[in-house]
Amino acid sequence: ETVLTQSPGTLSLSPGERATLSCRASQSVSSSFAWYQQKPGQAPRLLIYAASDRATGIPDRLTGSGSGTDFTLTISRMEPEDFAVYYCQQYGSSPYTFGQGTKLEIK
Amino acid sequence: QVQVQESGPGLVKPSETLSLTCTVSGASISSYYWNWIRQPPGKGLEWLAYISNSGSANYNPSLKSRVTISVDTSKNQFSLKLTSVTAADTAMYYCARGSHFFGYWGRGTLVTVSS
Repeated sequence: ETVLTQSPGTLSLSPGERATLSCRASQSVSSSFAWYQQKPGQAPRLLIYAASDRATGIPDRLTGSGSGTDFTLTISRMEPEDFAVYYCQQYGSSPYTFGQGTKLEIK
Repeated sequence: QVQVQESGPGLVKPSETLSLTCTVSGASISSYYWNWIRQPPGKGLEWLAYISNSGSANYNPSLKSRVTISVDTSKNQFSLKLTSVTAADTAMYYCARGSHFFGYWGRGTLVTVSS
């Protein structure tokens, strides 16, 4: 099983600041990688797939990058609606696995 | 617009079988892959299983001996059965569409395992 480790666990930022979230895989997953956002009481929402492709309706201030074992989600300027928990997911091998999450909180 | 809706009992006794159904609207269930994913309270996400558009299933080995996914194309529904449940199976259970990543999710249904 491919283990995904996200860092940091919590990131405290102010609106307008840049957010950089990281996810490391225990083995290469090529570009078979996705990012999700989850707000309290809601299902996760797909943000990025294939490591860098934005899902429908996702603003271009969110950018995914990386391949192999190291991946990054960058939010160029934090908006109020961006404060949430973010999960990474790999689909390079079965079983599909998720990271433990990074919480973006308001500073 | 694609919508998926989970349904099933909110409370299951230990050692019994958890049974959930996902009803799909706005898409033909036989055209896509469909998944079950769960999230224990306050914790992360765990992919459980998928059923493909051809009816083949793939399971998470951590649960493989206890989990079954099936599809009813006549009702545009798919289902999850998880046997011999324990308190560790208490979670929000989501159904979702996708062969590798998950673009459409239901709102989830909370299942508590308790006597």
